[in-house]
Formats: sequence, structure tokens, C-alpha cells
Amino acid sequence: DGGITQSPKYLFRKEGQNVTLSCEQNLNHDAMYWYRQDPGQGLRLIYYSQIVNDFQKGDIAEGYSVSREKKESFPLTVTSAQKNPTAFYLCASSADRGRGYGYTFGSGTRLTVV
Amino acid sequence: AQSVTQPDIHITVSEGASLELRCNYSYGATPYLFWYVQSPGQGLQLLLKYFSGDTLVQGIKGFEAEFKRSQSSFNLRKPSVHWSDAAEYFCAVATVGAGNMLTFGGGTRLMVKP
Repeated sequence: DGGITQSPKYLFRKEGQNVTLSCEQNLNHDAMYWYRQDPGQGLRLIYYSQIVNDFQKGDIAEGYSVSREKKESFPLTVTSAQKNPTAFYLCASSADRGRGYGYTFGSGTRLTVV
Repeated sequence: AQSVTQPDIHITVSEGASLELRCNYSYGATPYLFWYVQSPGQGLQLLLKYFSGDTLVQGIKGFEAEFKRSQSSFNLRKPSVHWSDAAEYFCAVATVGAGNMLTFGGGTRLMVKP
């Protein structure tokens, strides 16, 4: 079955470390997105990519980096520059640009700084 | 710029009672509208979507939503709530023609009393 796979489900990071969250989709979707979710703050866009080898900053990109070398994959690196990385991270993808088909979401990664 | 407002942050209803979650949007053209549901620790699942045509749309899990252009609203309804409906609900509008981006509301957390 097609879908989006995020891994790992839980991730623990020591302060000062970089960590990478994986997001893979087999839906043949062009666009992919990363969101951060904190209690009571809804969804905040970190980065998005509408085509391979291209990506754009969202509303809260500072302290994060991404790559889009393959259509299927959009990994997110949380760098040591991110001051408060503890949060729930959601990856999403969407099909035909401009058609408003909506997003398909992964099941999320919960990152905790220890 | 488009925006989505969900006026109710928390709603509590009794099991078996009817439910209406409010969503108001701001968008210049005909909107593409969505409702998503998120169970704790999970990703978002699409409940229903409106593109055009009949203003009353049916979704999964017995939910429906009505698009009212004059009120810029897209309220979600269910005639009889089940305990398993307890979750967070997000309304979203698509920016058609500008990269298929979704703008999300802040979410409404639904609690169901036995």
C-alpha cells in the first residue's frame, strides 16, 4: 500500500547533537513538507519541497536543514542551533500542484532532548 | 493572504450528542477546503474535502461538513458522537495555483464525556 513512512517514531537527542528524521513516500507525490507540532500551537511549517533538488523555508526554518535528492525522500536534520527541538514532527506529501488534493501525512516522530 | 480560524480551542460533548466544529476561512477565490483528524501521537487523517459542487460533503467516520460562501465557513458536523471521536480536528484551505500549499487552522480538541 502507498503511504508515508517516518522513522524513528521516538528519538532522543543530547544537547549539542544533530539528528536526522527520515521521511519516505511511495505515492509518487511531487511535493513534500515538514511540520513541527507543539502542544496548543497547531502545525508550523518548517520546510517544503515541490520538486527534486529544490526546497523552500517555511515559517520556522531556523535551526533545521533538509535535502531532496530523490523524489521519495525528504529527510529533516535538527541541528544544534535549534534551541528548543523537543516536539512532534510531521512529514506530509501532496500530488498534483495547484489542484488542491490535500496532503497525506506520516505518523510522526517525537523528538526529545535529554 | 489566506487564513483559517477555528474559534473553539476545546470542546466537550457527551457521547451520543451532536457535534459541530466551526471553521472560518479568508481566501479571495473559491476555496479548496479540508478537515483532518489527529489522534494522540499520530499523524493527520483526511476526513473530507470540498472542491466544488454540492455544498454539503460527506466524509469518513460519519462526519459531514457544509460550505457556506456567504459566511466564509466550513463547519464540521456529526449527528451522534462516539467516545472514539475524541481527538484534535484541523480545518485547512488550499492555495490553489500557488504550489498546492495548505494553510491550517489552530485546531480544536474534542473531548467526549461518557
